Amino acid sequence: EVRLLESGGGLVQPGGSLRLSCEASGFTFSKNAMSWVRQAPGKGLEWVSGISFRGGSTYYADSVKGRFTISRDNSKDTVYLQINRLRAEDTAVYYCAKLYNYAYLDVWGQGTTVTVSS
Amino acid sequence: EIMMTQSPATLSVSPGERVTLSCRTSQNVDSNLAWNQQKPGQAPRLLIYDASTRAAGIPARFSGSGSGTDFTLTIDSLQSEDLAVYYCQHYNEWPYTFGQGTRLEIK
Repeated sequence: EVRLLESGGGLVQPGGSLRLSCEASGFTFSKNAMSWVRQAPGKGLEWVSGISFRGGSTYYADSVKGRFTISRDNSKDTVYLQINRLRAEDTAVYYCAKLYNYAYLDVWGQGTTVTVSS
Repeated sequence: EIMMTQSPATLSVSPGERVTLSCRTSQNVDSNLAWNQQKPGQAPRLLIYDASTRAAGIPARFSGSGSGTDFTLTIDSLQSEDLAVYYCQHYNEWPYTFGQGTRLEIK
């Protein structure tokens, strides 16, 4: 069974940092690009970041560029999202998703919740 | 960045009816468009990709059409379990942006 399991969310103060993880199973992780998508409370989906299958290319939404860093460790079948200088507007459920051939998101995780508050 | 516009924002429909949801992109994305369904309290899931191809396990009552800048998701004979928010997303170029969603309510 293809699965994505996110972790690392929690309550963080404004200005703090957090690293989210997404562990994959059931498919050849090292051959697939990956993405992070977030959803603020009561809002729609926002694409955040993507990374190529080897990690050599990364992509970001303008709203997070310079504060978010996506990376991956193919030996651990895991993709990460480092979030720095957290703001209240970063409060959201963060979903990890697998890209099919650098195209559509064909598998989604269940999400991890990040809350930024003092 | 390609902007996505979905309409309507909310739609209230009776079971058994046919539903049509619209998605418009600010630039030509060819057929590089997907539809995702998000039921209450759940993660999104892929419904349609390449504008018109159903994902694995998706019922035949769901169909997609369109290319270029105008796309449609049609649900034939709406079921009560189709209560959800539907999002279109392009993957023509980075960033892969989403529409704001159409909320489907069951009468």
